[in-house]
Amino acid sequence: DVKVTQSSRYLVKRTGEKVFLECVQDMDHENMFWYRQDPGLGLRLIYFSYDVKMKEKGDIPEGYSVSREKKERFSLILESASTNQTSMYLCASTLGGSNEKLLFGSGTQLSVL
Amino acid sequence: QKEVEQNSGPLSVPEGAIASLNCTYSDRGSQSFFWYRQYSGKSPELIMFIYSNGDKEDGRFTAQLNKASQYVSLLIRDSQPSDSATYLCAVRGSSASKIIFGSGTRLSIRP
Repeated sequence: DVKVTQSSRYLVKRTGEKVFLECVQDMDHENMFWYRQDPGLGLRLIYFSYDVKMKEKGDIPEGYSVSREKKERFSLILESASTNQTSMYLCASTLGGSNEKLLFGSGTQLSVL
Repeated sequence: QKEVEQNSGPLSVPEGAIASLNCTYSDRGSQSFFWYRQYSGKSPELIMFIYSNGDKEDGRFTAQLNKASQYVSLLIRDSQPSDSATYLCAVRGSSASKIIFGSGTRLSIRP
């Protein structure tokens, strides 16, 4: 069963900590995405990657960075976590080309205290 | 102006009726349009996609696209309680693989 796996379902961190959110897909997908979802705001794109070591900023990249050293893994990094980064983080991937169906992971609910 | 806009709802529709969900987008060069359904506590799942002007039907779902008006809609016929969810409109714009979502419309089907 093909899937997108996020390493943690719930995460609690302290302000100022460096936080790593991991995402792995087993479908050989080209494109990978990180979104955050907040009530009333829908899904907002943080970063996406269309190839290994390639990345592009989404709509809200401030305070985040990403890493894609291998095709199957896309990491989201919060360099110095802040309380306004408390949110649900969703990773997704698409095959690319004419196949644009986003497959989502189950999400990571991050709380920054 | 937001890139993708939806009415947040909630939209309440009686069981068996047609539910109509609407979405507008700002990038005139947008290529691809999607509707995702998200149940509470779950991740979004794709239910429809459309690329060309006109209607596309799949079972009880019909997606409608009007590029001139920058408008995409989703019709759900014979609405069922299991259709109660948040519906997210998503658009791939003119730039590469970027896919942007609206804020979602909460739909409630009342028995």
